[in-house]
Amino acid sequence: DAGVIQSPRHEVTEMGQEVTLRCKPISGHDYLFWYRQTMMRGLELLIYFNNNVPIDDSGMPEDRFSAKMPNASFSTLKIQPSEPRDSAVYFCASSAQIKKEQYFGPGTRLTVT
Amino acid sequence: AQKVTQAQTEISVVEKEDVTLDCVYETRDTTYYLFWYKQPPSGELVFLIRRNSFDEQNEISGRYSWNFQKSTSSFNFTITASQVVDSAVYFCALSEAGLNDYKLSFGAGTTVTVRA
Repeated sequence: DAGVIQSPRHEVTEMGQEVTLRCKPISGHDYLFWYRQTMMRGLELLIYFNNNVPIDDSGMPEDRFSAKMPNASFSTLKIQPSEPRDSAVYFCASSAQIKKEQYFGPGTRLTVT
Repeated sequence: AQKVTQAQTEISVVEKEDVTLDCVYETRDTTYYLFWYKQPPSGELVFLIRRNSFDEQNEISGRYSWNFQKSTSSFNFTITASQVVDSAVYFCALSEAGLNDYKLSFGAGTTVTVRA
């Protein structure tokens, strides 16, 4: 079975540009999570969805960040405009039920110059 | 307050040595879940184990074993006869049953380096 798929794996962009990260969860999983990992702050939950509906976006750092899940097999995390402090690895994860183990994608390493 | 504490930042061992990673958690819930994840140098996060608060049985999976002790709020992880491929960052995580029941609170991670 395919795991969580994320694209792109690496993204380098200039400050002020729009960045869109993509995620395809494991088929049949009802929950989708977006995390950010930095050396300073470790792993942070940004937002999560249940059955395509955003449940809690309290971890989203600023209005520059937005996330959507138009269907059960696709989600995007958008940063507009991007800033150098957004540089991090962004992970998408999915799980079959709440409190069950989350399976992570390979991550997208974002560098904003 | 830190809910999951992994006091060991880095551990370095020689191949075939055993290594134990400590994890101490903090929660007021009686129902909660504990996890271990592995992050190898390639960067992905790999799920290793999930434990619920009602199951204190220790578990062994190959060279991996886990010791869950509610009395000390610890969920320690031991790698027996370590191998170079075990080199990774290991994260302990907690999921509570309260209002934020969706959230995985991760520890800071322990970097394990296994030298040949």
